[in-house]
Amino acid sequence: DTAVSQTPKYLVTQMGNDKSIKCEQNLGHDTMYWYKQDSKKFLKIMFSYNNKELIINETVPNRFSPKSPDKAHLNLHINSLELGDSAVYFCASSQTKPANTGELFFGEGSRLTVL
Amino acid sequence: AQKITQTQPGMFVQEKEAVTLDCTYDTSDPSYGLFWYKQPSSGEMIFLIYQGSYDQQNATEGRYSLNFQKARKSANLVISASQLGDSAMYFCAMREGRNDYKLSFGAGTTVTVRA
Repeated sequence: DTAVSQTPKYLVTQMGNDKSIKCEQNLGHDTMYWYKQDSKKFLKIMFSYNNKELIINETVPNRFSPKSPDKAHLNLHINSLELGDSAVYFCASSQTKPANTGELFFGEGSRLTVL
Repeated sequence: AQKITQTQPGMFVQEKEAVTLDCTYDTSDPSYGLFWYKQPSSGEMIFLIYQGSYDQQNATEGRYSLNFQKARKSANLVISASQLGDSAMYFCAMREGRNDYKLSFGAGTTVTVRA
């Protein structure tokens, strides 16, 4: 059973379209994240949700809208896609301290290509 | 300001030799955690090792050890007895105590193991 699963794994779409990426974790964690990895492999946090509540929104354009229907799910919807949105999007989860180190468990990533 | 600095963009190491990956960090928080992740060419993010700021001993996990020098704010990863499968990108990351909901990543170091 995959601990953090995200779908789809690959997305190829035209500029201006809207797309969604879904993420689910079966680890019972209370915090979920979206990270963006650009073409230079740099990983940057986009959003963090704790118990369905938005905790971090790192100056991401409002074309990006995360939604957490419950603790185990965090979806990412992107409107009006732009060329610069092409990247690998990673979903991750963790259990907050003090009981844990807080390591992130990552999904396999979703590679988005905007043409 | 960059919180995590990895100054080595790429390194080559001979099979069976040890390699040290540098990581320096910047925080004024006395409580923090340091992580290393491996990203092979297949793209997934694999957690390797964790060091807490209050841990007295350097962390070790199999062939991975973390050389933690608190006064220098460095957390170098040592991979002993390198194997071909160690060829990957390696990321250093930090969680600051005051913010449990975010892991900040360095730019990564690519390691290539030669037979």
